[in-house]
Amino acid sequence: GAGVSQSPSNKVTEKGKDVELRCDPISGHTALYWYRQRLGQGLEFLIYFQGNSAPDKSGLPSDRFSAERTGESVSTLTIQRTQQEDSAVYLCASSLTGSPLHFGNGTRLTVT
Amino acid sequence: GQQLNQSPQSMFIQEGEDVSMNCTSSSIFNTWLWYKQDPGEGPVLLIALYKAGELTSNGRLTAQFGITRKDSFLNISASIPSDVGIYFCAGGTSYGKLTFGQGTILTVHP
Repeated sequence: GAGVSQSPSNKVTEKGKDVELRCDPISGHTALYWYRQRLGQGLEFLIYFQGNSAPDKSGLPSDRFSAERTGESVSTLTIQRTQQEDSAVYLCASSLTGSPLHFGNGTRLTVT
Repeated sequence: GQQLNQSPQSMFIQEGEDVSMNCTSSSIFNTWLWYKQDPGEGPVLLIALYKAGELTSNGRLTAQFGITRKDSFLNISASIPSDVGIYFCAGGTSYGKLTFGQGTILTVHP
């Protein structure tokens, strides 16, 4: 597709359940990033992929958060045992190495 | 984690006025970028700066990469209603990881 695609666009889940968020980057983009944006805040870095490897996962807030990337394409961000504090918009971005990031429209996660 | 100080937090201006916002950091960045975010959408790149001292324009937008590599500003001239949105600065590392400011909410009154 023309841009970064994320699904679902909205997700409401009960506290304690696991969720999976998906990102389809722009075709050919080797770098992929996950960010979290809490209401009224800036974006917080979570994890960076170069190809299928994650050389920087320093932003993952706890071991409940994990991410993987396959085929140097699709990435999934998994949050286990969700907590209310996990409610936020999760944004994915991709880029060619050294080029600016292109963002998707995000997944709005609400934990009730 | 690392934060950028972005100001002002919000601005209310009349259509046709010029706008200026800036970001400062205690850390040096390799790149500075400015993004605009509309409700329900991801940030969209406005201007990317790659060199200390660089001054770049994109239509009515002008941005500069501070000479110390710790700051940047964005100017919008002759604002129009569609300029409404949240503007974010971001400092970049060598491999593209970005640290974002808290955003400036811009409201333009017709």
